[in-house]
Amino acid sequence: GAVVSQHPSRVICKSGTSVKIECRSLDFQATTMFWYRQFPKKSLMLMATSNEGSKATYEQGVEKDKFLINHASLTLSTLTVTSAHPEDSSFYICSATTGTSGRSDEQYFGPGTRLTVT
Amino acid sequence: SQQGEEDPQALSIQEGENATMNCSYKTSINNLQWYRQNSGRGLVHLILIRSNEREKHSGRLRVTLDTSKKSSSLLITASRAADTASYFCATDARDYKLSFGAGTTVTVRA
Repeated sequence: GAVVSQHPSRVICKSGTSVKIECRSLDFQATTMFWYRQFPKKSLMLMATSNEGSKATYEQGVEKDKFLINHASLTLSTLTVTSAHPEDSSFYICSATTGTSGRSDEQYFGPGTRLTVT
Repeated sequence: SQQGEEDPQALSIQEGENATMNCSYKTSINNLQWYRQNSGRGLVHLILIRSNEREKHSGRLRVTLDTSKKSSSLLITASRAADTASYFCATDARDYKLSFGAGTTVTVRA
């Protein structure tokens, strides 16, 4: 089946620094990728939708200057948390879709990245 | 925003027993999906049920969907210790975006 990887799996950074998380579709081309955030013992919250070659669409309440998303190729999307603060500590999960229509029943999830900001 | 509400929030059962959890949602959907998440890990897709389907089976999993009540249930039969995880329902309502429920934490005791 389709495989999505994320790198790194865990990252610890100091407050004020930026950190980049990669999401890759390993064996398929992903026209659309999604970025989610999950707090401990909570559900996944959609942050943004990333389409290859165009600007990401952010959900209400998500700061686009804080969470920079780039979808430069059909197999790679990156999420950069800029000027990170302890409240940005969270589990970030991406998913990718194979369908040109972006249908959710073709979404494949990455294993997640645990970000800790000290 | 979150659409699904899951019930119960937590469930503890003995190995071999069945586990049932429910999901309710608010708007019309194209499909509803169930996922499993082990602690600190990513999501594993379990089953997808479309809005025109009422019941679906996959191994020890049985999912029902009642669009008139805007609810779905996930039944895990003959539970095993390895079924210990959090289970989430997710609805596809707004285009292709998934909206996740709050999740049910299932603990299977040996």
